[in-house]
Amino acid sequence: EDQVTQSPEALRLQEGESSSLNCSYTVSGLRGLFWYRQDPGKGPEFLFTLYSAGEEKEKERLKATLTKKESFLHITAPKPEDSATYLCAVQSTSGTYKYIFGTGTRLKVLA
Amino acid sequence: NAGVTQTPKFQVLKTGQSMTLQCAQDMNHNSMYWYRQDPGMGLRLIYYSASEGTTDKGEVPNGYNVSRLNKREFSLRLESAAPSQTSVYFCANADGSWGEQYFGPGTRLTVT
Repeated sequence: EDQVTQSPEALRLQEGESSSLNCSYTVSGLRGLFWYRQDPGKGPEFLFTLYSAGEEKEKERLKATLTKKESFLHITAPKPEDSATYLCAVQSTSGTYKYIFGTGTRLKVLA
Repeated sequence: NAGVTQTPKFQVLKTGQSMTLQCAQDMNHNSMYWYRQDPGMGLRLIYYSASEGTTDKGEVPNGYNVSRLNKREFSLRLESAAPSQTSVYFCANADGSWGEQYFGPGTRLTVT
């Protein structure tokens, strides 16, 4: 069964304190892994797509990496405006049109 | 460009009432989706539409119906609302059968 597990559930960081969020996945074949940011009361906002192990994508203070079993979202020198819930989703090669979402990591960055 | 829009933003229903949640996109994407988001459960797919005139069930379709009359619009109908349908509902689209999705702002529904 396709499954996505995110950890930790919640994370509090001081401004400037770098850390990583984890997304572990089990799929029969990976078509793509997606990271989204969700602010309170808003819809998820697309950040990155990763397709194969070893791939990396960067955007400002965020860097996403992918292995055969997990993905990491590295946050370098975070700022309070990075506070949000970060969602991970996968699409398997056997699940056209269907995405499996994790429950997210709630990140709070303190000034 | 608005991207994906949803109406209403908030709704309170009594058990047994019906309503339709509206979703529209101006991105010219083929596939559209309806999800519900509940605390601790992540986003769960209710229905999706690969293209105009086609719809298919997702993970949690019971109690819902959908309609995709044209490429822009995808509506979700609750025929007889139940308290278990209290949730936040998101509409999303994607360019094809795979790839990143783009989400609307959500509808917060409470059924009493």
